[in-house]
Amino acid sequence: DIQMTQSPSSLSASVGDRVTITCRASQGITNYLAWYQQKPGKVPKLLIYAASTLQSGVPSRFSGSGSGTDFTLTISSLQPEDVAAYYCQKYNSAPYTFGQGTKLEIK
Amino acid sequence: EVQLLESGGGVVQPGGSLRLSCAASGFTFSKYGMTWVRQAPGKGLEWVSAMSGGGDNTYYADSVKGRFTISRDNSKNTLYLQMNSLRAEDTAVYYCAKTGSSIAASRLNYWGQGTLVTVSS
Repeated sequence: DIQMTQSPSSLSASVGDRVTITCRASQGITNYLAWYQQKPGKVPKLLIYAASTLQSGVPSRFSGSGSGTDFTLTISSLQPEDVAAYYCQKYNSAPYTFGQGTKLEIK
Repeated sequence: EVQLLESGGGVVQPGGSLRLSCAASGFTFSKYGMTWVRQAPGKGLEWVSAMSGGGDNTYYADSVKGRFTISRDNSKNTLYLQMNSLRAEDTAVYYCAKTGSSIAASRLNYWGQGTLVTVSS
């Protein structure tokens, strides 16, 4: 099975910073990758799919890139409401594995 | 408005069984794949099982294969997860989620609020 590895596991940044989270697949998955945000105590929310397509209603400061095995989620200017855990998920073929998550905090 | 409402969670002894339900509304249920995802207390998301819109394709994580069964009743707009031979490590909040297409291999664009399953003696 393909493994999904996110880095870093946790991250602390200042408001206004550019933040990048990476997700690496152990084998190529073309662009079948989604990113989710889960705020504390809340339900996960889809941010990006097909590696770089922004889900409707998601602020434009979020962006995704990558193809094959290496992917990134970027927040161009960190806001206080972005405190959350972020997860990548592959969906090219089952099992549709999630990464282990990245916990983002404000410094 | 898409709504997904899970039910059926609770406390069960190791080795026991439980059936979760997910009542869907606000979209044409039979046209979309559906998924179960779980989250153990304080841990990350774990994909559990998925089913295509027509119900002809099902998929399972290795951790639940042979113990859990996903099914759906498109006439009732409801997704199910039958969980047998439950273990302590199955303790988690279980979310149902709608995929973005008729197949299971798609992003999860709507999520329910989750139902808590606790496996304990």
